[in-house]
Amino acid sequence: AQSVTQLGSHVSVSEGALVLLRCNYSSSVPPYLFWYVQYPNQGLQLLLKYTTGATLVKGINGFEAEFKKSETSFHLTKPSAHMSDAAEYFCAVSPSGNTGKLIFGQGTTLQVKP
Amino acid sequence: DAGVTQSPTHLIKTRGQQVTLRCSPKSGHDTVSWYQQALGQGPQFIFQYYEEEERQRGNFPDRFSGHQFPNYSSELNVNALLLGDSALYLCASSTTGLATNEKLFFGSGTQLSVL
Repeated sequence: AQSVTQLGSHVSVSEGALVLLRCNYSSSVPPYLFWYVQYPNQGLQLLLKYTTGATLVKGINGFEAEFKKSETSFHLTKPSAHMSDAAEYFCAVSPSGNTGKLIFGQGTTLQVKP
Repeated sequence: DAGVTQSPTHLIKTRGQQVTLRCSPKSGHDTVSWYQQALGQGPQFIFQYYEEEERQRGNFPDRFSGHQFPNYSSELNVNALLLGDSALYLCASSTTGLATNEKLFFGSGTQLSVL
């Protein structure tokens, strides 16, 4: 069965510092991988996705993630944190291709300190 | 262009009651998926509706049921509410065919509290 593990439920960085949010997945089929962001009292917004092709994917707001099959990882990074990046981040895998059904990790709360 | 809209935004019920949540998909979308997000957890897939039929279902009991109307809007019904049903319920809409996951749009959710 497919699953997603996000390492670290809370991550705190200083403004301007590197952001690294970790995600490992398990999938018996080639995975479709996603990162979503959730701001308070809002729904989920897609940051970026990996389906096929280039393993380094770039998303909105300066975020990027690299698919590493050998490590079954899809970590999210941003070179320089901004106060507005403070939010909840979810990694997700699609267990059966492109069907609209996603399995989410537990989420990581990103705190950005001034 | 309105995105995915859900109503109501907040709801308080007592144990044993029944509840209906509503979702209007983004314009041009024909598929609706429902997710439950408990406090401090990631969203969990409940089920998906397309062409007024349930197409996929997650690991949720039969107390959770749904419906899709000809205009693609959808309802989520939960019977015999339990305290553990307290959660944020998210609706996501998409189109069938290629790149469904890539065009998944989420609403802001309905916060259900069961007392």
